[in-house]
Amino acid sequence: GQQLNQSPQSMFIQEGEDVSMNCTSSSIFNTWLWYKQEPGEGPVLLIALYKAGELTSNGRLTAQFGITRKDSFLNISASIPSDVGIYFCAGQRSGTSYGKLTFGQGTILTVHP
Amino acid sequence: EAGVTQSPTHLIKTRGQQATLRCSPISGHTSVYWYQQALGLGLQFLLWYDEGEERNRGNFPPRFSGRQFPNYSSELNVNALELEDSALYLCASSQAGQRNTGELFFGEGSRLTVL
Repeated sequence: GQQLNQSPQSMFIQEGEDVSMNCTSSSIFNTWLWYKQEPGEGPVLLIALYKAGELTSNGRLTAQFGITRKDSFLNISASIPSDVGIYFCAGQRSGTSYGKLTFGQGTILTVHP
Repeated sequence: EAGVTQSPTHLIKTRGQQATLRCSPISGHTSVYWYQQALGLGLQFLLWYDEGEERNRGNFPPRFSGRQFPNYSSELNVNALELEDSALYLCASSQAGQRNTGELFFGEGSRLTVL
């Protein structure tokens, strides 16, 4: 099935460092979302973006909805050990794709104390 | 408030058998979604149920089916199991007014292993 192109696939960083990951698509999405999944858990929504160009923050997390509607990025500032997990971007279109999210392959984040 | 609950946690089947997975949404949520998460891959959309009806379907063969009950709980059935069906099956729910926002609440998943 179609997926978003998410990069990097994995990151190994030191506690306190900033993190940046992004997601691109060949087609337009009306909504971009970022989810985090920890071992043994389901994904949890971090940030939702609904308007092209929108920049939204949630604590140390900042995400942007690309102006072309074909990309989004997520930044995590001053990483801490509990940031460890898999981060997924997801996009949603309207119309026949109503109710369906398309996910990226995920970015595995490891934070060394 | 209880989150999305799924059962069983783990299920082991052999090729050709049928598997049934169950999901209870968060109280007050009317939409239920099913996603497949195979090892090393992102989540793939399977099915969306709302108010007892199938509203959308992903690119999966017809042997993947399901239903939603009057209490909004849902069941996913996979017939004629194949080895590549081995995956984590995630159920998610959303409120009626949120179904177009992408804001989903996921359960912990059911791990299906096909031998």
